[in-house]
Amino acid sequence: TQLLEQSPQFLSIQEGENLTVYCNSSSVFSSLQWYRQEPGEGPVLLVTVVTGGEVKKLKRLTFQFGDARKDSSLHITAAQPGDTGLYLCAGEYGNKLVFGAGTILRVKS
Amino acid sequence: GAVVSQHPSRVICKSGTSVKIECRSLDFQATTMFWYRQFPKQSLMLMATSNEGSKATYEQGVEKDKFLINHASLTLSTLTVTSAHPEDSSFYICSARISMNTEAFFGQGTRLTVV
Repeated sequence: TQLLEQSPQFLSIQEGENLTVYCNSSSVFSSLQWYRQEPGEGPVLLVTVVTGGEVKKLKRLTFQFGDARKDSSLHITAAQPGDTGLYLCAGEYGNKLVFGAGTILRVKS
Repeated sequence: GAVVSQHPSRVICKSGTSVKIECRSLDFQATTMFWYRQFPKQSLMLMATSNEGSKATYEQGVEKDKFLINHASLTLSTLTVTSAHPEDSSFYICSARISMNTEAFFGQGTRLTVV
């Protein structure tokens, strides 16, 4: 059983569409991170959310941390082909950083 | 951000041989380093947590005698895949952090192919 459940696992959309990726857990996390990874490379940190209810924006990306700090979402507005990649949520569990299953996003032009 | 360098980026080895992967923190001292394994189109699976100067803590199901981890200094951790087999072929990624609950920085990964 995954500590962090991420959905959807795969998303294929047209350029210009909006999308949301969800990361859920039954555990409370002190923080959650979102990463983006391209094939053959390590993941790159997009954002860290720490406070329950927190909303952070990074250009067309909006990240939200649930009030109870058990879930988070990533919303992309007007997706572009350059957004294509693997999106991963991750959370601190003890002294470890554990990852959700990931969402493969493909944005078609 | 801080830089973590992983070497080699790609390696092909024969079945039965051992392969060493290095993970270096270039501009900070990392008390903790993590080793992950990733299969195609899947997420990162934590293999082990390595603290400088002490034995690594392995996740359930990871063979410690097969995946030898050494964290001899605050800037270097190594993962040695011993007696490699084709099923060990995977993408291995390390990450390093200064201390608990600080940002983890990732290496660029190592593509291991065992033939």
